[in-house]
Amino acid sequence: QSALTQPPSVSGSPGQSVTISCTGTSSDVDMYNRVSWYQQPPGTAPKVIIYEVRNRPSGVPDRFSGSRSGSTASLTISGLQAEDEADYYCSSYTSSNTLVFGGGTKLTVL
Amino acid sequence: QVQLVESGGGVVQPGRSLRLSCAASGFTFSDYGMHWVRQAPGKGLEWVAAIWFDGGTKYYADSVKGRFTISRDNSNNMLYLEMNSLRADDTAVFYCARGGYSSSWYVAYWGQGTLVTVSS
Repeated sequence: QSALTQPPSVSGSPGQSVTISCTGTSSDVDMYNRVSWYQQPPGTAPKVIIYEVRNRPSGVPDRFSGSRSGSTASLTISGLQAEDEADYYCSSYTSSNTLVFGGGTKLTVL
Repeated sequence: QVQLVESGGGVVQPGRSLRLSCAASGFTFSDYGMHWVRQAPGKGLEWVAAIWFDGGTKYYADSVKGRFTISRDNSNNMLYLEMNSLRADDTAVFYCARGGYSSSWYVAYWGQGTLVTVSS
């Protein structure tokens, strides 16, 4: 099972919006509503910020939103803040009964 | 609050075995699916294995199938990962992770991880 495809890095200034893409296939992202997004600041464990394509766990700011179009899922962060600087990973359930992660995207807040 | 505490990591020679443990607290352990996810130094996340709430269903990544075994003890709120025939490319921080519900394919909570180093 190949990893989902994410851009290695994105950047934005405080207050701006950024979008991170996550491209899979018809056997994972396109087939199931089981796409999740995780935030991992340096030196810490990951934290879920979006699950099942667009759902936000309690405590996650509504600046974070998820969507999907075909085999590409997206994470949008609006009103960028310095504390958003982290690595972001997408994941999806697959038709092989496995979980696959993206390669990760480093977000830099300028 | 949900707590997941991994133990059992360390340095092991190639070809040898190691057993990781995860002590869970702060939730009804037997209600939730559990996962192991690993992260090689400086690399991304890689899913390793999952076990559903009653221990009756297990899934593995192709990279560990036949070498690793996931199990759980619902009486003692413990999750395990038995790792055999370890290779250098198994070197990683291993995270114990709780799913969002009984058979969940997303991770709602993560432990702090335990480092496994496979080296001669």
